[in-house]
Amino acid sequence: GESVGLHLPTLSVQEGDNSIINCAYSNSASDYFIWYKQESGKGPQFIIDIRSNMDKRQGQRVTVLLNKTVKHLSLQIAATQPGDSAVYFCAETKDSSYKLIFGSGTRLLVRP
Amino acid sequence: EAGVAQSPRYKIIEKRQSVAFWCNPISGHATLYWYQQILGQGPKLLIQFQNNGVVDDSQLPKDRFSAERLKGVDSTLKIQPAKLEDSAVYLCASSTGRVPGYNSPLHFGNGTRLTVT
Repeated sequence: GESVGLHLPTLSVQEGDNSIINCAYSNSASDYFIWYKQESGKGPQFIIDIRSNMDKRQGQRVTVLLNKTVKHLSLQIAATQPGDSAVYFCAETKDSSYKLIFGSGTRLLVRP
Repeated sequence: EAGVAQSPRYKIIEKRQSVAFWCNPISGHATLYWYQQILGQGPKLLIQFQNNGVVDDSQLPKDRFSAERLKGVDSTLKIQPAKLEDSAVYLCASSTGRVPGYNSPLHFGNGTRLTVT
């Protein structure tokens, strides 16, 4: 079946550096993508989302980029902080299915 | 605004026993979801309610799992009998719209961690 996946299971960055977390998706019909952050013992927390008719969307310290040509989604975190350490999931959906499909996650470790 | 509330936080049972989880969504959120998250994996949808009706339960193992949302607010998820492979975190989420779309992101609770021995 179609799925959302991630290239790197673990990403280690120096505090203050920028982080880039990548995600590949296989369903070209997906029209909505979301990034979630999950800290240990907590539920996923919404970070930022993007529709398929957009290439880029910016939030506070975060930017999501969507490349539909190669079915690639990325999350950029500027000036990474220790509090950014968590597992990050991308997820996709399309209106006809109502179902949000999650990838397997990338763990971000921030070194002091 | 208060978040999605779930209880209990942890539960340990033996296989073949039964267990129930409770969820109270964010006030005003019509759509409620139950997800199963196995360690190291992304959440997997079990069932989705719109008010008190089921929208999608295609991935719910109906021979042992059941869920209800009788008054369109709180929801319970039950497993009977439990198997070892049911060990996971059970997450409840809610949203305003029927489709997890642009203006209707899912808000998750902190989950119930179930261990089946």
